[in-house]
Amino acid sequence: DTEVTQTPKHLVMGMTNKKSLKCEQHMGHRAMYWYKQKAKKPPELMFVYSYEKLSINESVPSRFSPECPNSSLLNLHLHALQPEDSALYLCASSQVDYGYTFGSGTRLTVV
Amino acid sequence: GQSLEQPSEVTAVEGAIVQINCTYQTSGFYGLSWYQQHDGGAPTFLSYNALDGLEETGRFSSFLSRSDSYGYLLLQELQMKDSASYFCEAGKSTFGDGTTLTVKP
Repeated sequence: DTEVTQTPKHLVMGMTNKKSLKCEQHMGHRAMYWYKQKAKKPPELMFVYSYEKLSINESVPSRFSPECPNSSLLNLHLHALQPEDSALYLCASSQVDYGYTFGSGTRLTVV
Repeated sequence: GQSLEQPSEVTAVEGAIVQINCTYQTSGFYGLSWYQQHDGGAPTFLSYNALDGLEETGRFSSFLSRSDSYGYLLLQELQMKDSASYFCEAGKSTFGDGTTLTVKP
């Protein structure tokens, strides 16, 4: 299995809602990442987990809360988001510090 | 910190060769990667250069010159399906702003 699977593919949520994005990889990769991508922009790193421990948090607002339950799973919990948080949220994994394998993303709309 | 510069747009015709350049300024350099992203899709890893020189993978090649802080992605025998955005990445998940390649018939 050489894929990173993300669910859901699309999500519409209100500013008072709580939702979670899920990501799964079965390639045995040691690192997993969350990125945010706006239209016509590059992916912007949010969080990095290495060996299930949070190693990088790029000053992301606390309304985004990552969780790594095990080496294959990565969640991103969302609470009290703003309309400007609407974007494509990408999960990725890698064994080394390059060659990320990306999931197809969750397209999030905050209303 | 890191910054990467690449052209915003490139247009070429089917069958042609195109080069997408990337210059970088980094506080610590680990290598240069290239990713392709089609509209509505996810980025796909294309190539990685840790050392100076040319790496070839089918129709795509990537080059790095550490002394010049410069690299490029070379796409040969362009096909319509190569129309996409191409991002260089210089480690620590810092991406350039992307180059939109349009291949015309």
